Amino acid sequence: GENVEQHPSTLSVQEGDSAVIKCTYSDSASNYFPWYKQELGKRPQLIIDIRSNVGEKKDQRIAVTLNKTAKHFSLHITETQPEDSAVYFCAARHTSGTYKYIFGTGTRLKVLA
Amino acid sequence: ETGVTQTPRHLVMGMTNKKSLKCEQHLGHNAMYWYKQSAKKPLELMFVYNFKEQTENNSVPSRFSPECPNSSHLFLHLHTLQPEDSALYLCASSQEQGSNEKLFFGSGTQLSVL
Repeated sequence: GENVEQHPSTLSVQEGDSAVIKCTYSDSASNYFPWYKQELGKRPQLIIDIRSNVGEKKDQRIAVTLNKTAKHFSLHITETQPEDSAVYFCAARHTSGTYKYIFGTGTRLKVLA
Repeated sequence: ETGVTQTPRHLVMGMTNKKSLKCEQHLGHNAMYWYKQSAKKPLELMFVYNFKEQTENNSVPSRFSPECPNSSHLFLHLHTLQPEDSALYLCASSQEQGSNEKLFFGSGTQLSVL
């Protein structure tokens, strides 16, 4: 069935370093890829997304890259700060005629001060 | 935060109880979702409603019964649950038209089944 694999499950980086989280999806018809950040005890919040007709998108310190051929997409956070510490989820969705977002298992990011 | 509101935030119930979770969205969206979030598992889609019609039932046991009276409100009725049903239940909504299908989540109901 459809699934999204996410790695690593935990990631610790020093403040100011970069963090990279990778996801692989199985459904080649997926064409929308959002990333969510969930702080402890809070709701998942959309931080960035990308569509299949784009290879890269950037928003300040956050960027997402997509390789459709390999069915990989990655989240890049530069100049990490302690407030970036959270669980990050990737997701994939086929936007034609279905409402099914398939989520990865999450990555717990710890930014060490 | 008033986009997607869930009540209650926490719920403890016995296996013979009947309770309901409530979700309300103030974003004018036409699709609403129930997700289950368990430790170390992906977010699991349970149900999807589009314009009040159920479009997805992801093989959820019948002890979970959704209700969507209108496009702004969504309920999840619970009865005779099992301890393994303990989890965070998240409601979400989206606007399923054009290319603006971003998914917005509520804060969730943390459910404990004793």
